Amino acid sequence: SYVLTQPPSVSVAPGQTATITCGGNNIGSKTVHWYQQKPGQAPVLVVYDDSDRPSGIPERFSGSNSGNTATLTISRVEAGDEADYYCQVWDSGSDHPVFGGGTKLTVL
Amino acid sequence: EVQLVESGGGLVKPGGSLRLSCAASGFTFSSYSMNWVRQAPGKGLEWVSSISSSSSYIYYADSVKGRFTISRDNAKNSLFLQLDSLRAEDTAVYYCARVVVGATLPYPADYWGQGTLVTVSS
Repeated sequence: SYVLTQPPSVSVAPGQTATITCGGNNIGSKTVHWYQQKPGQAPVLVVYDDSDRPSGIPERFSGSNSGNTATLTISRVEAGDEADYYCQVWDSGSDHPVFGGGTKLTVL
Repeated sequence: EVQLVESGGGLVKPGGSLRLSCAASGFTFSSYSMNWVRQAPGKGLEWVSSISSSSSYIYYADSVKGRFTISRDNAKNSLFLQLDSLRAEDTAVYYCARVVVGATLPYPADYWGQGTLVTVSS
C-alpha cells in the first residue's frame, strides 16, 4: 500500500512560517488534502486538491505538491494553529484513501 | 448548519458486535458520499470505510474487511457501521465524515462528527 511520511513534530515561533511535509513516492502525481486536528476535537479540512482552501480557512494556510513531497505552509503562525496536521491521498493500488502519520505543530 | 452526530459506541468484549449510527442534518444527505474514520487513543487517523450517495460503491480498509459493514438510509438521513468480530485493536474513536460535494472519489471529508468511542476489552 501507499505510504505517506510526515515528520512527527514541527516547532515554530509565533509570527513565523511553519512548513509541514508529506512524503510519498511520486506524490506529485496525486491529489493531496490536509487536515488540522486540535486536542479533543474532530479533524478540519484546511487544504484540498493540493492548494485550495475551504471557505472559512485563513489565507495563511497554503499547500503545494511536486515530485516526492507535498507541503503545507502556515504563514504568520498563531498560538491557535497548534494542532496535529494530517495529509491524505488516494491509494489507487489499494483503492482507498490513506493518511499520513500526522505532524504535531508546536507554537513556541 | 451541517451536523453529524455519532452514537452507538461503548464497551464490548473481544469477538462482540456493535452498530454505530450517524445522524445527519443541515444538508441533502442523499447527495453525498460518506466515510467512517477512526482514531485509536493517542494515535493518528485511519480511514475505515466509504459509501457512495446511492450505496452503489462501498470501500473498506483491509484491517476491517469482512468484519465491518457500512450502510446508509437516505430516507432517514442516517449512516451506519456494523462492527462484528471486534478485536482489541479496533478500540478507537469512530468519526463519520461527509465527502465534499462533487468528488469523484470518496474523499476528502469536509464535515466531521465529534466521534463515538468504541472500547474492546475483556
